[in-house]
Amino acid sequence: DIQMTQSPSTLSASVGDRVTITCRASQSISSWLAWYQQKPGKAPKLLIYDASSLESGVPSRFSGSGSGTEFTLTISSLQPDDFATYYCQQYNRAWTFGQGTKVEIK
Amino acid sequence: EVQLVESGGGLVQPGRSLRLSCTASGFTFGDYAMSWFRQAPGKGLEWVGLIRRKAYGGTTEYAASVKGRFTISRDDSKSIAYLQMNSLKTEDTAVYYCTRDREVRVGELFYHYYYYMDVWGKGTTVTVSS
Repeated sequence: DIQMTQSPSTLSASVGDRVTITCRASQSISSWLAWYQQKPGKAPKLLIYDASSLESGVPSRFSGSGSGTEFTLTISSLQPDDFATYYCQQYNRAWTFGQGTKVEIK
Repeated sequence: EVQLVESGGGLVQPGRSLRLSCTASGFTFGDYAMSWFRQAPGKGLEWVGLIRRKAYGGTTEYAASVKGRFTISRDDSKSIAYLQMNSLKTEDTAVYYCTRDREVRVGELFYHYYYYMDVWGKGTTVTVSS
């Protein structure tokens, strides 16, 4: 199985901050990586696919980068609606997720 | 509006069976692979299984944790995907989500397909307890 490791597990930030979340794969997954946002009691929402492609309707303050084994999700200017848990997911071989990064209010 | 609605969850005893349904609307169901995921209370997301579209044989794949116990099927005429869960264990307790899977085709002579999940249902809760 391909293991996905996110860091940090929790991130405290303020509105307007630039936020970066890192995701590492246990082996190369090329660019087969997605990022999801999940709020409490809600389903995950697709933000980024193919490592850097922005899903339609997702604000442009979200961006993704990386390939191989190292990936990042960046929120350029954190908004009140962005406080949530973020998951990376590889789809190179089966589907596995990172453990999640909770972005909370500082 | 593209929508997925899961149903069929509930409280079930260990060893018993349950069938979940995922009813789709707002898109051509038969053109998409569909998957099931789950999330145990307070935990992260876990893939359960996938079913490809009929044009690719409607084949299925399963996570090792459910292989041999869970079965995914689809009825394209009704736009419904099913998750049949047998021999349930307490560790199967979770919110179960179905997803619509977007396909990426790679290759020229021989194709390989990758799938990521672009639409999620709201989920249905399964509790396995005596």
